[in-house]
Amino acid sequence: DTAVSQTPKYLVTQMGNDKSIKCEQNLGHDTMYWYKQDSKKFLKIMFSYNNKELIINETVPNRFSPKSPDKAHLNLHINSLELGDSAVYFCASSNGLAGGQETQYFGPGTRLLVL
Amino acid sequence: SQKIEQNSEALNIQEGKTATLTCNYTNYSPAYLQWYRQDPGRGPVFLLLIRENEKEKRKERLKVTFDTTLKQSLFHITASQPADSATYLCALDNQAGTALIFGKGTTLSVSS
Repeated sequence: DTAVSQTPKYLVTQMGNDKSIKCEQNLGHDTMYWYKQDSKKFLKIMFSYNNKELIINETVPNRFSPKSPDKAHLNLHINSLELGDSAVYFCASSNGLAGGQETQYFGPGTRLLVL
Repeated sequence: SQKIEQNSEALNIQEGKTATLTCNYTNYSPAYLQWYRQDPGRGPVFLLLIRENEKEKRKERLKVTFDTTLKQSLFHITASQPADSATYLCALDNQAGTALIFGKGTTLSVSS
């Protein structure tokens, strides 16, 4: 059973398009995250949600909008895609509140390429 | 703001040796420190968590130390194997205790 799953795995699209990435976790965790890993492999937190409520928004452009329909799902919608959005996006989840005291479980990543 | 540095981008060692990776941080005192492993094309996988009041943590061939005076963590893999080749990420909780901040990682290559 996959603990944290993301779809799609690959996403190639044109500049200016709008796209969504879906994430689901079957671990029963309360907190979910989106991270961006750039070409230099630097993994940076974008958002975290706890029980469907936004906890962290780390100076991410307004073009990125997370949506959590329930605590098992956290989707990421990106409007007006730009070349600089090309990266690997990871979803993760953890038990309890966000923070360093909890182990995070990562999905396999979505490789986004904006042309 | 918090700053995390992993001492080198790449580390090459021979099979059977001990690999030691370093994570340094500045500007604050995290309560928790974690280490993750990331293989190419995959998401990070949790390895170990250590608290600020713990000096050392072990799991099989892995050992982590946490020196809050030096603001440094060392991650050791003893009797390294080619299968240990991967990128290892250090992560600390941020000052608000609401997120993990990751270092850039050290890519370990173990040759047979």
